[in-house]
Amino acid sequence: ETGVTQTPRHLVMGMTNKKSLKCEQHLGHNAMYWYKQSAKKPLELMFVYNFKEQTENNSVPSRFSPECPNSSHLFLHLHTLQPEDSALYLCASSQDVGGTEAFFGQGTRLTVV
Amino acid sequence: AQSVTQLGSHVSVSEGALVLLRCNYSSSVPPYLFWYVQYPNQGLQLLLKYTTGATLVKGINGFEAEFKKSETSFHLTKPSAHMSDAAEYFCAVSGSFQKLVFGTGTRLLVSP
Repeated sequence: ETGVTQTPRHLVMGMTNKKSLKCEQHLGHNAMYWYKQSAKKPLELMFVYNFKEQTENNSVPSRFSPECPNSSHLFLHLHTLQPEDSALYLCASSQDVGGTEAFFGQGTRLTVV
Repeated sequence: AQSVTQLGSHVSVSEGALVLLRCNYSSSVPPYLFWYVQYPNQGLQLLLKYTTGATLVKGINGFEAEFKKSETSFHLTKPSAHMSDAAEYFCAVSGSFQKLVFGTGTRLLVSP
């Protein structure tokens, strides 16, 4: 496999459920990102990880919990979500933070019911 | 701090017509500039990038963009639109040790 892979592609969950989104990159990159893309809203950067360490959290509610066990894997654990959290969640990676392009996964379409 | 402004949330063209999507940036360091394309329910795909060197950069699918420092612009063009170009386009800026900052996107509509 090459590039950035996200699973699942689609997820429907109730507000009391716990689920996780997975992202894996096979590019040897050091930085990984979670973005949220809602309808009619700009792309929102949620979290940045550099060499497995979280370097940025853009005031994301605690019901979203990221985990980066190594430079190739990134998870987003979801708990007690709200309907307004329904969106496309995109994972991306880059060689380093800054100066280089990011490569994106296909995204997970999340629907909270 | 860096920022990107994309003029026009929607641009409509006819098939075969020129495509022009506008992007202006602000950067406190020498900018690296990017254009991405997104098809429905897909991730963002890199179209082209400018880092240093030649200011006219060519990308995939016949697109190109020109870096104009004096105008702080990086507009995306394609001489002849195709139906398959209908998508959302994002301009982004970064710099050394500066993370990517995206514009709000422009939806390109192509009519037959």
